[in-house]
Amino acid sequence: NAGVMQNPRHLVRRRGQEARLRCSPMKGHSHVYWYRQLPEEGLKFMVYLQKENIIDESGMPKERFSAEFPKEGPSILRIQQVVRGDSAAYFCASSAAPGSGFTEAFFGQGTRLTVV
Amino acid sequence: SQQGEEDPQALSIQEGENATMNCSYKTSINNLQWYRQNSGRGLVHLILIRSNEREKHSGRLRVTLDTSKKSSSLLITASRAADTASYFCATDPTLSNDMRFGAGTRLTVKP
Repeated sequence: NAGVMQNPRHLVRRRGQEARLRCSPMKGHSHVYWYRQLPEEGLKFMVYLQKENIIDESGMPKERFSAEFPKEGPSILRIQQVVRGDSAAYFCASSAAPGSGFTEAFFGQGTRLTVV
Repeated sequence: SQQGEEDPQALSIQEGENATMNCSYKTSINNLQWYRQNSGRGLVHLILIRSNEREKHSGRLRVTLDTSKKSSSLLITASRAADTASYFCATDPTLSNDMRFGAGTRLTVKP
């Protein structure tokens, strides 16, 4: 019973390139959250998705960033034309239906993006 | 805006001492969760406390929840050097379907 799987674990991109971060939720989980963590800082909420729907993207920059969670396959966080300020750890979490009120979110190990 | 706000931002204690971290939030919640993050690693779920619970224990961890004050505390008793990490609280609000984290408390336990 694998946990939340993120890949790649480390990603290096040159300025202007695209970064694609993948997150496979735990089996049976249909809710995915993405968080960004800058060095020495806390987690910042970016986007919350259910299968094929973006529920809340209030924490995601309007430009260059997009997220999807297709019916089949992992959730993808896509950053176009990366800049040095995008360097951070990006964590994905998954949960069962939060509306039940008693759910836990399980986190992946994160993808560390370095923009050079 | 961040839902959970932890304080203090940083805490340094000696091994064997107790560590107390606090979390405040703004809206009504279904539950509140505490996570630990070791430097450069992913998050580990520690404990979940439901909105109708006031206190919960797990090993050396004790969590309290005061919904009237919209606050929670995490107590680590008899701390160890291995407890050195950042600790985050996260809330599961009743009126939305997402979880929000605070900036965390960085705990350093000196041997």
